[in-house]
Parts: sequence; C-alpha cells; structure tokens
Amino acid sequence: GQSLEQPSEVTAVEGAIVQINCTYQTSGFYGLSWYQQHDGGAPTFLSYNALDGLEETGRFSSFLSRSDSYGYLLLQELQMKDSASYFCAVRDNYGQNFVFGPGTRLSVLP
Amino acid sequence: NAGVTQTPKFRILKIGQSMTLQCAQDMNHNYMYWYRQDPGMGLKLIYYSVGAGITDKGEVPNGYNVSRSTTEDFPLRLELAAPSQTSVYFCASSSSKQGANSPLHFGNGTRLTVT
Repeated sequence: GQSLEQPSEVTAVEGAIVQINCTYQTSGFYGLSWYQQHDGGAPTFLSYNALDGLEETGRFSSFLSRSDSYGYLLLQELQMKDSASYFCAVRDNYGQNFVFGPGTRLSVLP
Repeated sequence: NAGVTQTPKFRILKIGQSMTLQCAQDMNHNYMYWYRQDPGMGLKLIYYSVGAGITDKGEVPNGYNVSRSTTEDFPLRLELAAPSQTSVYFCASSSSKQGANSPLHFGNGTRLTVT
C-alpha cells in the first residue's frame, strides 16, 4: 500500500524555525515534494528532493533520507503569511502519480 | 499563461443529478490529474491521464468518469451525484519529466455541494 504520515498541527511564533516531518511508504519512489495551501486556495509547489540531502530555497529547506523513507520541510524566520497547510507528496508509479500526505496545519503566532 | 483553468468555481447539485467539471491547461503538459479534498484532509486522487486517449483510475474513482480527447482538456463527469461527493475538486497537470522542474500545477478548484 501507499501511505504518508505527517503531524496534523504545528504552532510556532513569528521569527522562529519550524520543522514538519513526513514519513512515507509507497510502492515506488521518484521524489518527495512539498506543497503549501492557504485556506480556500489551491496547493502550490514549494520544494522537491529526489536524492538524499538538503535542498534550500530561500527561507524554506527540504531534506530527504531515502534509506529511512523520511523527509522534512524546514521553515526559517517564520512570518504570519506562512500560516497554511503543508503537504508532502511522493511521486511514484514510474513517476506518473503523486500521492499526498494528510497535511500539517501550521499556525504562526505574533 | 493561464496555467490550469477549472470551471465552474462553485456548484450545488441535487442528489441524482449529473454534471461535468471542466479542466484545461495551456502548458502542453502530458500528465493531468483530478483530486478531491474533503475539509481538513489531504488530496485523494480520483483519475489521472498520461496523455490524450489514456486514462486510469486513482485511489477513489467510484462515481466518476473522465475522458482525455486532447492534451489540453481533462473533464471529470459525475453521473449520479451523492452527498458523499460534496468536496473541493482540484485539477492539476505536470510535465512527464522527472525532477523539480516538473511539479504539479493546480487549478483554483471547484467547490461542489450535493444536497
């Protein structure tokens, strides 16, 4: 079967650093992606890891360990506008499908 | 570029009615997807297509049908609407290439209520 697990909620204050973890179990693996979704909006792409290690994109970084079937999204210098849901997604089935985790709701407090 | 365009944005259906959710993309993407998202939940794959004339079932296909006659369009059909189909429906597209330059591009969603 295919399954991804994420914490359901995370709360942090402005300026802080927060890490959102994702563990996955899928029939195939062609990369781990992260998407952000604000309330009432559509998911938007944040980051992608195909190989082990850290990818940095501005305030956001994403990490992957394929041997542990584990990844995380790191958000630095949190801002109020970062309050949103964050989804990890695995590309599997020879790269044809994207399977999403249940999402982590991040609340950034002043 | 318009990206992925979904219509309508909102719709209310009565039980047993039928409707088609429209999706079009102008990025020449081979891969297209339909997801549904229930409140506070993740995205569940309904159907996907890897090219014109090719479609396949996702995780939750029951009650839905799709067609892909062109690269650009991927409509989703609900034949006999049921309250369990009340959800937000997202269409998405992707290049067939692997890697960070081929993420999912989402439409703005269709909010469907079946009563």
